[in-house]
Amino acid sequence: DAGVIQSPRHEVTEMGQEVTLRCKPISGHNSLFWYRQTMMRGLELLIYFNNNVPIDDSGMPEDRFSAKMPNASFSTLKIQPSEPRDSAVYFCASSHSGANVLTFGAGSRLTVL
Amino acid sequence: GIQVEQSPPDLILQEGANSTLRCNFSDSVNNLQWFHQNPWGQLINLFYIPSGTKQNGRLSATTVATERYSLLYISSSQTTDSGVYFCAVERNTDKLIFGTGTRLQVFP
Repeated sequence: DAGVIQSPRHEVTEMGQEVTLRCKPISGHNSLFWYRQTMMRGLELLIYFNNNVPIDDSGMPEDRFSAKMPNASFSTLKIQPSEPRDSAVYFCASSHSGANVLTFGAGSRLTVL
Repeated sequence: GIQVEQSPPDLILQEGANSTLRCNFSDSVNNLQWFHQNPWGQLINLFYIPSGTKQNGRLSATTVATERYSLLYISSSQTTDSGVYFCAVERNTDKLIFGTGTRLQVFP
């Protein structure tokens, strides 16, 4: 099993540009989570999906952030337009069911200039 | 929401030493996990331990749910144990809440 796969690993962009982060969960996992990690706020849950359906997006900072899961093997997190304060490491995680035994991807480090 | 406090915030050890990391949480939980974030940023799940004791090699964990704390024991530490250890908890929401972590540095 290749684990949770995220891309890109690093992204540097300019303020105002659209950013799309991608995640492929572990095959057979029904739950997918997007987390953001910063020095100031630690690890924060942004949104999670069960069976491809968004269950709770209360952690999404604002309307500039959106997430989709069109099928069981793919999810995206989009930021449009990006701002410097969005700079962080974005993690995707998946599990068989709910928040039990999360497996994290390697993360996408985003820098917005 | 549930508050998660970890102690100590920083820990420096020499190779071969033992250590105990603590996680306190403010409310009852039905899910508790320990993670290790290595120096390259990868988050590794160490234990799923809402109650009881588990062991995996040199690492073991104990959760006393009734008293709202969990302990992670590292024995005979190695330089590869360096990184940040996170405790995360959840209760019936599927929203795993992370503590601020314990940063461990192991020197040869």
